[in-house]
Amino acid sequence: LAKTTQPISMDSYEGQEVNITCSHNNIATNDYITWYQQFPSQGPRFIIQGYKTKVTNEVASLFIPADRKSSTLSLPRVSLSDTAVYYCLVGGALNTGRRALTFGSGTRLQVQP
Amino acid sequence: GAVVSQHPSRVICKSGTSVKIECRSLDFQATTMFWYRQFPKQSLMLMATSNEGSKATYEQGVEKDKFLINHASLTLSTLTVTSAHPEDSSFYICSARTSGGGETQYFGPGTRLLVL
Repeated sequence: LAKTTQPISMDSYEGQEVNITCSHNNIATNDYITWYQQFPSQGPRFIIQGYKTKVTNEVASLFIPADRKSSTLSLPRVSLSDTAVYYCLVGGALNTGRRALTFGSGTRLQVQP
Repeated sequence: GAVVSQHPSRVICKSGTSVKIECRSLDFQATTMFWYRQFPKQSLMLMATSNEGSKATYEQGVEKDKFLINHASLTLSTLTVTSAHPEDSSFYICSARTSGGGETQYFGPGTRLLVL
């Protein structure tokens, strides 16, 4: 399974854009990149998923370069409620069977007022 | 997105007793569910993969006789912690994978287990 590397922690202020980069040098051809958000004592919440280029939804954008060895989660105008741990995972490829997503250490984002 | 529920949300039990945790996919069918465990300040660790109608696949180091998994239907998987001990105290989280299209895992809210 592809291993991911993320910064352990990041700090930001309300209203700023936050970009969290994840490296996954060993990503397989069929792997997707998925980001989750987790608050204390809650299960991870799906944020966004992509395979290549750029994906945008109402919550975030995901930028994936052509070599797919890294990805960047972009959170526009963060608020205090975005303080959480963000996990980057690779896997869950289309129709490839039953591999579970493997969690790395995640990035602890702290948003200050 | 798809909704996954867990019950109970928290449980306290005495050492030596067994505890059952239920995981349900509420608005979709899941042939595969996963069970994770998370200790404080740590990431999620996969315990086992639960397949509907067949035996679960356990990760290395996870005792299958201690953590019994049953996936009797396409919407329900259960994890039973048998003869629980204080070191089993943890946050247990299940997830279910949607089938078809880009597969995505959706996670339940978690169950906090405290063994006294």
